[in-house]
Amino acid sequence: VQLVESGGGLVQPGGSLRLSCAGSGFTLRISWMAWVRQAPGKGLEWVANIKPDGDETDYVDSVKGRFIVSRDNAKNSLYLQMNNLRAEDTALYYCVRGSIGAYDIWGQGTMVTVSS
Amino acid sequence: DIVMTQTPLSSPVTLGQPASISCRSSQSLADRDGNTYLSWLHQRPGQPPRLLIYMISHRFSGVPDRFSGSGAGTDFTLQISRVEAEDVGVYYCMQGTQFPITFGPGTKVDIK
Repeated sequence: VQLVESGGGLVQPGGSLRLSCAGSGFTLRISWMAWVRQAPGKGLEWVANIKPDGDETDYVDSVKGRFIVSRDNAKNSLYLQMNNLRAEDTALYYCVRGSIGAYDIWGQGTMVTVSS
Repeated sequence: DIVMTQTPLSSPVTLGQPASISCRSSQSLADRDGNTYLSWLHQRPGQPPRLLIYMISHRFSGVPDRFSGSGAGTDFTLQISRVEAEDVGVYYCMQGTQFPITFGPGTKVDIK
């Protein structure tokens, strides 16, 4: 059972990145999925959630209108399209599975650095 | 938004001794479905967080029974009955009752 993120990197302010997350060992298509981030040396911050069928999403206020979470259940994959990136978006982004109101599977994370 | 607070923020502990962390929410975490979605996570240095406790007191698969959770409404506690060396790191409480999902600031546990 694992989640593997990819797509992080260094991007200039105002730029875009698309994060991907591949799930294996469990049935991703019936799972609530989310992205959680952690700025260097800081705590955890929930970013976005998506229902199993993808028809409902939620976002933290600071990313609304800039980030889009999506999924492709046929590919066991989750995505986070990040646009108009800001320095404060710099963080390690974790892909997580939601279950019974908690996050029970965490990936290793992919680092996003927003800097000129 | 529901604000989560934790005390203490730092906890030096003695191996083999108990430890306790408190978590408080700014409003009740009891959901309309009757469940309370308060969980605890542990993060070791350089590692992703891992789930310890969900729904206040349910230990996640593989979590040692020295970890226990309790509480209701707005006040919750994580207890470690006898601290082991592998228990160092940061502990977070998290509420999953209402969006936005929110975490406590974390409690750093290290060995005296």
